[in-house]
Amino acid sequence: DGGITQSPKYLFRKEGQNVTLSCEQNLNHDAMYWYRQDPGQGLRLIYYSQIVNDFQKGDIAEGYSVSREKKESFPLTVTSAQKNPTAFYLCASSKRQGAGSNQPQHFGDGTRLSIL
Amino acid sequence: AQKVTQAQTEISVVEKEDVTLDCVYETRDTTYYLFWYKQPPSGELVFLIRRNSFDEQNEISGRYSWNFQKSTSSFNFTITASQVVDSAVYFCALITLAGTYKYIFGTGTRLKVLA
Repeated sequence: DGGITQSPKYLFRKEGQNVTLSCEQNLNHDAMYWYRQDPGQGLRLIYYSQIVNDFQKGDIAEGYSVSREKKESFPLTVTSAQKNPTAFYLCASSKRQGAGSNQPQHFGDGTRLSIL
Repeated sequence: AQKVTQAQTEISVVEKEDVTLDCVYETRDTTYYLFWYKQPPSGELVFLIRRNSFDEQNEISGRYSWNFQKSTSSFNFTITASQVVDSAVYFCALITLAGTYKYIFGTGTRLKVLA
């Protein structure tokens, strides 16, 4: 079955350390997204990519970085510059958005990141 | 500005009761899409429904129904005869085509269905 796989499910970070969250999809979707979820704040967009080798900052990109070298992969790095990284991170993918169309996003199971 | 408001933070109902989750949106764009997602305790968001701004027909899918009213900028979600398995956080989201195709999510409503 096609889907989105996020790993690991739980991740712990030490102060000053960079960590990378994995997101892989086999849905043949062009677009991929990273969201951060905090209690009571819903989902906030970190980065998104509509096509390979291209990505855009979302609403809260500071302290994060991404790459999109392959269609099926969109890893997110939480850098030491992100001062409050403890959150639940969700990756999503969709067919490419475009004028006259809209596509629902499909989500992974999430990664819960905590600071040691 | 675009915004989605889910004023109900948490709702508790007893099994078999009907429950309505409210969603109010703001946008100046004339073409937009509204979505509802369910987030069970396992964490992933599950797509429930998509509605475009030109289609105000209400929709029913089993125990779920959606009421879209442009006049009040609302897209409410009703669960009939609720079940314990309906317990989850439900998100309403907006995307407009005049923007950059980014979803705007509401803050979610946590529904607890008690046996």
